[in-house]
Amino acid sequence: GENVEQHPSTLSVQEGDSAVIKCTYSDSASNYFPWYKQELGKRPQLIIDIRSNVGEKKDQRIAVTLNKTAKHFSLHITETQPEDSAVYFCAALYNQGGKLIFGQGTELSVKP
Amino acid sequence: EAQVTQNPRYLITVTGKKLTVTCSQNMNHEYMSWYRQDPGLGLRQIYYSMNVEVTDKGDVPEGYKVSRKEKRNFPLILESPSPNQTSLYFCASSLLGRGQGSETQYFGPGTRLLVL
Repeated sequence: GENVEQHPSTLSVQEGDSAVIKCTYSDSASNYFPWYKQELGKRPQLIIDIRSNVGEKKDQRIAVTLNKTAKHFSLHITETQPEDSAVYFCAALYNQGGKLIFGQGTELSVKP
Repeated sequence: EAQVTQNPRYLITVTGKKLTVTCSQNMNHEYMSWYRQDPGLGLRQIYYSMNVEVTDKGDVPEGYKVSRKEKRNFPLILESPSPNQTSLYFCASSLLGRGQGSETQYFGPGTRLLVL
């Protein structure tokens, strides 16, 4: 069945360092991979997404890479800031319907 | 303002007492979905709807019902709530959920449910 594994579950970095969160998905039929950021007590909000016909996408300090062969995709945050501290979720959308499968989440802590 | 709204935001109830959590969007989105969020388990999809009168099961549909009689509303019904349904529930909507165009899902503010 469809499954998304996300690692690590917690990540602590110093301000200014880079952070990388990795996800793997099980079903090669998936073709859309969003990343959501959830601050404490708030709703998840999309920060970046990538479609299967693209290998990399950047938006300022955030980038996502996709390796369809290996069924991996990763979130890269450069020059981290304390306001990047949050829980980040990856997800995979399955095309045969509207199923969106989320990873378990990564709690990122950026220390000043 | 484009938004997804949920009501109530907080609810304490007792086992077996039927309840409904409403979800409404004003963006004319075709796709709507319900998720529950539990510590360590991330967000798990309960039900989704691709359009009016079209609903489908997500990963954890047991104990829940939904209906989609109008495009803007997608209520979540717990016919006989149990303590294991204590959770944070999110409704979301998007323009299209078929892997093309605007798949971005916009989430509501969440409903925190406690079943005693």
